[in-house]
Amino acid sequence: EAQVTQNPRYLITVTGKKLTVTCSQNMNHEYMSWYRQDPGLGLRQIYYSMNVEVTDKGDVPEGYKVSRKEKRNFPLILESPSPNQTSLYFCASSPRRDRGLSYLNNEQFFGPGTRLTVL
Amino acid sequence: QKEVEQNSGPLSVPEGAIASLNCTYSDRGSQSFFWYRQYSGKSPELIMSIYSNGDKEDGRFTAQLNKASQYVSLLIRDSQPSDSATYLCAVPDGGYNKLIFGAGTRLAVHP
Repeated sequence: EAQVTQNPRYLITVTGKKLTVTCSQNMNHEYMSWYRQDPGLGLRQIYYSMNVEVTDKGDVPEGYKVSRKEKRNFPLILESPSPNQTSLYFCASSPRRDRGLSYLNNEQFFGPGTRLTVL
Repeated sequence: QKEVEQNSGPLSVPEGAIASLNCTYSDRGSQSFFWYRQYSGKSPELIMSIYSNGDKEDGRFTAQLNKASQYVSLLIRDSQPSDSATYLCAVPDGGYNKLIFGAGTRLAVHP
């Protein structure tokens, strides 16, 4: 089954304790992203990756790190979590389209989400 | 920074009625538009995409795009209680891997 998986699905932690949220996709997609979703603010992009070893900041990158060592995996790292990072996090992937269909590049497929609480 | 605006709702419609969800966007150069459905506590699911002015129909869903007015809408015919969810409008922001999302409109379909 084609899917994006995230782990853990739920996590409660304390301020300053490093954590990693994993994301994996089995669709051979080139593009991957991390979003956070907060009430009233919608989905905001944290980081994205266009391919292995190619990553860039989104709109709200402060306090987060990512890596893309393999095409299928795109972990999100919080080196020193703080309460304002309490949120619902989604990983997403999308394929690179042929030139004539490049406008379809933004059809993203989302993972099930990780609900993070930082105390 | 591109902006996507949606009425947060809730939009309440009776079962069987047409639900009309609206979205406006700030960047006149936007070329593609997406509607996602999100059930409470679940991930967004792509339900419609539209790239050209006019209407695009898929089953009970119709997306309407008016680039001159910078307006995109989603119509749901014969609304069912299972359509109760938040509907997110999204517009690409330049690069291939970034979407700007509206805050979403919550739809409630009551029997």
